[in-house]
Amino acid sequence: QKEVEQNSGPLSVPEGAIASLNCTYSDRGSQSFFWYRQYSGKSPELIMFIYSNGDKEDGRFTAQLNKASQYVSLLIRDSQPSDSATYLCAVEGSARQLTFGSGTQLTVLP
Amino acid sequence: EAGVTQFPSHSVIEKGQTVTLRCDPISGHDNLYWYRRVMGKEIKFLLHFVKESKQDESGMPNNRFLAERTGGTYSTLKVQPAELEDSGVYFCASSQARSGANVLTFGAGSRLTVL
Repeated sequence: QKEVEQNSGPLSVPEGAIASLNCTYSDRGSQSFFWYRQYSGKSPELIMFIYSNGDKEDGRFTAQLNKASQYVSLLIRDSQPSDSATYLCAVEGSARQLTFGSGTQLTVLP
Repeated sequence: EAGVTQFPSHSVIEKGQTVTLRCDPISGHDNLYWYRRVMGKEIKFLLHFVKESKQDESGMPNNRFLAERTGGTYSTLKVQPAELEDSGVYFCASSQARSGANVLTFGAGSRLTVL
């Protein structure tokens, strides 16, 4: 079992729709959870992080964390073509390093 | 504020040659990380510096890889001798965090192609 698992996609949604990205992790001792966005050939850039159970909203983005289920998700509301990218879920363990999932490729269709 | 800078952006070498990748972290960031993404795989941790000290090098694949961070500023990652399976994108990241969520800022990566 991979430490951090994401649906590899690709995921396609129409412009204006909600995109839902999911991630599960295996280490129950994980502290913080991150969503990064990576455009092709570019560096991963942080969208948001969450460390408490529940929802955290930032603009069109909402991260949801359920530690009991070892599950974290990212919702993108009013998706735009510029949101088309690979979304990386990362989990911080006790050693302060991040473990990444393989990423979900999102395409927002105009 | 300048971001994390990596050099070179792309390097093409032959098997058996040596390559040195450089990373300049954000000024004041004590934590410096090297990660690697091999084609089709997830980004994998290589090692972690705190200032000039290696905090964790459990992800280094073998002794052909040598990382240094002299003076606690920039870091280099040397691959000697390079093998075909070393091809991939090498990312450097830095962070300031000593507590709380460890938010990493990534560089643009150094793409290594070993022929």
